[in-house]
Amino acid sequence: EIVLTQSPATLSLSPGERATLSCRASQSIGRYLAWYQQKPGQAPRLLISDASNRATGIPARFIGSGSGTDFTLTISRLEPEDFAVYYCQQRSTFGPGTKVEIK
Amino acid sequence: QVQLVESGGGVVQPGGSLRLPCTASGFTFSSHTMHWVRQAPGKGLEWLATISDDATKTYYADSVKGRFTISRDNSKNTLFLQMSSLRGEDTAVYFCAREATAGIIPDRFDPWGQGTLVTVSS
Repeated sequence: EIVLTQSPATLSLSPGERATLSCRASQSIGRYLAWYQQKPGQAPRLLISDASNRATGIPARFIGSGSGTDFTLTISRLEPEDFAVYYCQQRSTFGPGTKVEIK
Repeated sequence: QVQLVESGGGVVQPGGSLRLPCTASGFTFSSHTMHWVRQAPGKGLEWLATISDDATKTYYADSVKGRFTISRDNSKNTLFLQMSSLRGEDTAVYFCAREATAGIIPDRFDPWGQGTLVTVSS
C-alpha cells in the first residue's frame, strides 16, 4: 500500500507570498496524484489532477508539478482565500495534509 | 450545476446502524463511479468505499469492510452507505464524491457533497 507524506505540516505565510507544499509517495506513482483544498466547515475541492492539470475554474496561481515519488503544489502569490488545508491523493490514499495559515 | 447532497447523519449508539443517502443532480449519475470518504473531527480524509456506475463492483477500506455497505439506486440518482456495528472511532463527517474519470479506480474526487456528521456515542 502506498503511503503519502506531506510537508510541512503547517506553513505560516503572509498574503502575496509564495507557498510551496510537498507530497512524497512511498513508491513511484507516475503522475497519478491529485491535490485538494479544504476550508473549515467545507468539503474538499479538487485543485489539480494528474500532478499538474488544474481543475475547471482553478486559478492559474495554483501550480502542480512532479512525478514518480516527489510532487509539489505551488501557490505563486497567496490570496486571502487560499489559507486552508491542502491534501494530496493517490487512488484511495490521502496524505495527512498541510495547513497554510496566515503569519 | 453538479451537486451532491448527503443526509441521514445524527447520533447513534455504539453497536447501532445508520444509512446515509447521497442525492445527485446536474449530471448523469448512472455513468459515474461514486465514493464515500470520511473525516474524523480535526483529522484528515479517509477513503471508505467505491461503487462502479452499474453497481456490479464495490471496494472497501479495511477499517469498514464487513460493517459498511455501499450501494446505489440509479433510478433515483442516489448513493447509499449502510453502516452497522458502529464504534466511537466511526464518529466523523461523511462525504460522498463523484469519480471524475470514466474508470472505477479512485483517481479524482470531484465534486464532493457538503458532508453529514455521524456521532457514535452512548
